[in-house]
Amino acid sequence: EIQVVESGGGLVQPGGSLRLSCAVSGFSFSSAWMSWGRQAPGKGLEWVGHITSKSDGATTEYAAPVKGRFSISRDDSKNMLFLQMNSLKSEDTAVYYCITHDAADLNQWGLGTLVTVSS
Amino acid sequence: DVVLTQSPLSLPVTLGQPASISCRSSETLVHSDGRTFFNWFQQRPGQSPRRLIYQVSKRDSGVPDRFSGSGSGTEFTLKISRVEAEDVGVYFCMQSAHWPRTFGQGTKVEI
Repeated sequence: EIQVVESGGGLVQPGGSLRLSCAVSGFSFSSAWMSWGRQAPGKGLEWVGHITSKSDGATTEYAAPVKGRFSISRDDSKNMLFLQMNSLKSEDTAVYYCITHDAADLNQWGLGTLVTVSS
Repeated sequence: DVVLTQSPLSLPVTLGQPASISCRSSETLVHSDGRTFFNWFQQRPGQSPRRLIYQVSKRDSGVPDRFSGSGSGTEFTLKISRVEAEDVGVYFCMQSAHWPRTFGQGTKVEI
C-alpha cells in the first residue's frame, strides 16, 4: 500500500520561507515522477509543480504563480520529496499535498500539510 | 492554460437515485497516441482527493462500479448510477494532457 505523508507546514510571515517534506513508501519512488498540489481554504485544487524521475533527468516544472519562488527536489535514497517555498505571499496559504504519479499521471495524494502565510 | 468548466457546481442528490456531473475542456485532451488524458477525483469532507477515473472511463482499483466516466475530445461526464451516503463530497475533473495540469472548479454533491 502506498503511503504519502507530508510535514513541515506552519505559520510564516509574508516574505518568509518554508520547506515542506514528503515521505513516501510502498512503491518504487526512485522511478516515479512526483508532484505538489495545493488547496486554499474552501477552494479548489491547484497543481504547483512536479519533478521527473532521475532517469528522466530529475527536471522540474512549476505553475506560473509559484515559478521563481518555489523549488522541488527529491532524495531517492530516502524516498523523500521536498518543496522549498521562498518569498511567501498571503495567497500561498493552503493545504499542500504531495502527489504520486503513475502511468496515468497524478494518482495518490497525501494527507496534506497546512501552510499559513500571515503577519 | 486549459480551462475546465464543471456543471453543476452544486448537486443535491437522493439516495439510490442517479447523479451526473459534466466537465467541458477549452482544448482537446486527446494525446498524439490516441489516449485521452482526463480524470475525475473525489474529495470527501475532511479528506484528501482520491482519483476515481483516469483516461476518461477507467476506474481506479477499489472504486465501486456505480461510478462511470464517459466522453471524448472536450466533453466529459461522471455518472453515479445509485448514490450512496458515502458519495457525499466534492468532485473535481482534471486534465493531464497539457502542462500545467488544471482542475475544474469542483461539484459539491450533497444529500
